[in-house]
Amino acid sequence: ELKVEQNPLFLSMQEGKNYTIYCNYSTTSDRLYWYRQDPGKSLESLFVLLSNGAVKQEGRLMASLDTKARLSTLHITAAVHDLSATYFCAGPGGGADGLTFGKGTHLIIQP
Amino acid sequence: DTGVSQDPRHKITKRGQNVTFRCDPISEHNRLYWYRQTLGQGPEFLTYFQNEAQLEKSRLLSDRFSAERPKGSFSTLEIQRTEQGDSAMYLCASSPRGSRLVEQFFGPGTRLTVL
Repeated sequence: ELKVEQNPLFLSMQEGKNYTIYCNYSTTSDRLYWYRQDPGKSLESLFVLLSNGAVKQEGRLMASLDTKARLSTLHITAAVHDLSATYFCAGPGGGADGLTFGKGTHLIIQP
Repeated sequence: DTGVSQDPRHKITKRGQNVTFRCDPISEHNRLYWYRQTLGQGPEFLTYFQNEAQLEKSRLLSDRFSAERPKGSFSTLEIQRTEQGDSAMYLCASSPRGSRLVEQFFGPGTRLTVL
């Protein structure tokens, strides 16, 4: 059964700074997902990473996948307040196609 | 809006009552999932449908929970004899036919409070 661990679970940072969220998973996986959730809202898909070495970028967010290390990272460049949210990584393991999620990283970006 | 929709958005019930939630997936998405999310946690997988067939159920889905997708379109999730521990956000997601590698699109959720 896949286990997904994120760290940190809570992060407070200032605008303009860079930071990385880490996602470790326990068993071999052919894909890894990143989602964003705003308070009281549902999940918004950010990235789908499908192969070793995959890197995807959208605005100030960049995600990468290292299947050998069983590690994915979400890097935030020059953070802005609008990026404040909870970020989840997830991989297959909740059944045939169901996803197993990490506990999430609660990110607060202060002006 | 052509996204995943869920109804109701909020439900308050008393312990022991039955509740039913509805999910309408994105049109032509043949895969449908139910998840449960409690405060401060990530979503937990409950069950999965491909068309009308329920192909997977998590051990989290006790006998009090039942899900259906009778015509392969919308789905319902029923909880019988609700308990306070059932209080959570219930999320529905769908994904299109074809590659199982595609992402899942989530609905707004139904927040259940059991008093």
